[in-house]
Amino acid sequence: DTGVSQNPRHKITKRGQNVTFRCDPISEHNRLYWYRQTLGQGPEFLTYFQNEAQLEKSRLLSDRFSAERPKGSFSTLEIQRTEQGDSAMYLCASSLALFYGYTFGSGTRLTVV
Amino acid sequence: SQQGEEDPQALSIQEGENATMNCSYKTSINNLQWYRQNSGRGLVHLILIRSNEREKHSGRLRVTLDTSKKSSSLLITASRAADTASYFCATETGANSKLTFGKGITLSVRP
Repeated sequence: DTGVSQNPRHKITKRGQNVTFRCDPISEHNRLYWYRQTLGQGPEFLTYFQNEAQLEKSRLLSDRFSAERPKGSFSTLEIQRTEQGDSAMYLCASSLALFYGYTFGSGTRLTVV
Repeated sequence: SQQGEEDPQALSIQEGENATMNCSYKTSINNLQWYRQNSGRGLVHLILIRSNEREKHSGRLRVTLDTSKKSSSLLITASRAADTASYFCATETGANSKLTFGKGITLSVRP
């Protein structure tokens, strides 16, 4: 297992288009997190899955954002009708349990033009 | 919202010197963690200290935690140019072990 994998690494899209990102966590990790990071800021929490259940969502996650984790394996984050303000690095992380720390993927950098 | 506040925002030191970074937070925590991020990359977990621990070491890293002051410090000893990165403290809270990050400290180590 080589860690958390995110695809694509970069995505440029026109305003108003829909985009989908994929995250493949470490296989033994049942906890999966999505974060968003803008330049000069720390990552901001978006949502959390334990297995296939989405247990927590940030108020930052507007109705244009949706995340899934079918069968508790990989996860997808979709943004509908993208806006320029959605431009950011989207980070996925997985964890084994409480007190274990996160393993982050390399992120997907989204640019909305 | 970002609970952790790191200090200083930027730090520039000479190779071989020690680097000390501080973090303050606001609410009760399960544990506090430090992460490193190289430019344009994901974050790498460095060290975790539980709320009932006061000090922890890992290689050249030493982290302290003072829950009465709601503060932590990360010391990197004998710094190397490869330590140049952004460093973030993150507090874990709740049963979902959600991490809340600060804005980060930019460390530059001059060769």
